[in-house]
Amino acid sequence: DGGITQSPKYLFRKEGQNVTLSCEQNLNHDAMYWYRQDPGQGLRLIYYSQIVNDFQKGDIAEGYSVSREKKESFPLTVTSAQKNPTAFYLCASSIGTSGSNEQFFGPGTRLTVL
Amino acid sequence: KNQVEQSPQSLIILEGKNCTLQCNYTVSPFSNLRWYKQDTGRGPVSLTIMTFSENTKSNGRYTATLDADTKQSSLHITASQLSDSASYICVVRSNYGQNFVFGPGTRLSVLP
Repeated sequence: DGGITQSPKYLFRKEGQNVTLSCEQNLNHDAMYWYRQDPGQGLRLIYYSQIVNDFQKGDIAEGYSVSREKKESFPLTVTSAQKNPTAFYLCASSIGTSGSNEQFFGPGTRLTVL
Repeated sequence: KNQVEQSPQSLIILEGKNCTLQCNYTVSPFSNLRWYKQDTGRGPVSLTIMTFSENTKSNGRYTATLDADTKQSSLHITASQLSDSASYICVVRSNYGQNFVFGPGTRLSVLP
């Protein structure tokens, strides 16, 4: 059963704490992405990775960090430096980074900072 | 500035009726345009992809159109069903880098 999974589905964090969101795919995709979704706004790119051990900042990378040690995994850490972390976070993957390649999205993680 | 605008922001229709959602973009250079369906609390799922040379593409009850000259796209849903209730997101890909520009979405509610 191929797909992309994210965990946990809901996450609560106290201010000042770092938290890591998991993203795993078994589609054998090279490219992976992290987006943030806020009400009334389009998805915004946080980080993306085109290949293992390589990743690039997106439009809103400040306060976030990622790693890509394995092809299947692309975890996102929300650090205490992120001023407004409460949001819905979506992970996606694609075969490559060509324009026609479809992005497949995970089910998302809703992060709430208390 | 690359932007994607969608209208209406939200829409309520009765089951069985048709509807059309609009997408206007200023993304350049243009590569392709996708329509996604996103159920509440879930990730988006691709419905169609339109390239520069394509004017119309259908996927079941969903028909997308593209006018590359006016930079407009529409998504027409025929004979709506309750399961069509979702947000519909227009995404335009630029030929430059990893530039996917997402619209804010249209929230569609289909009532019985």
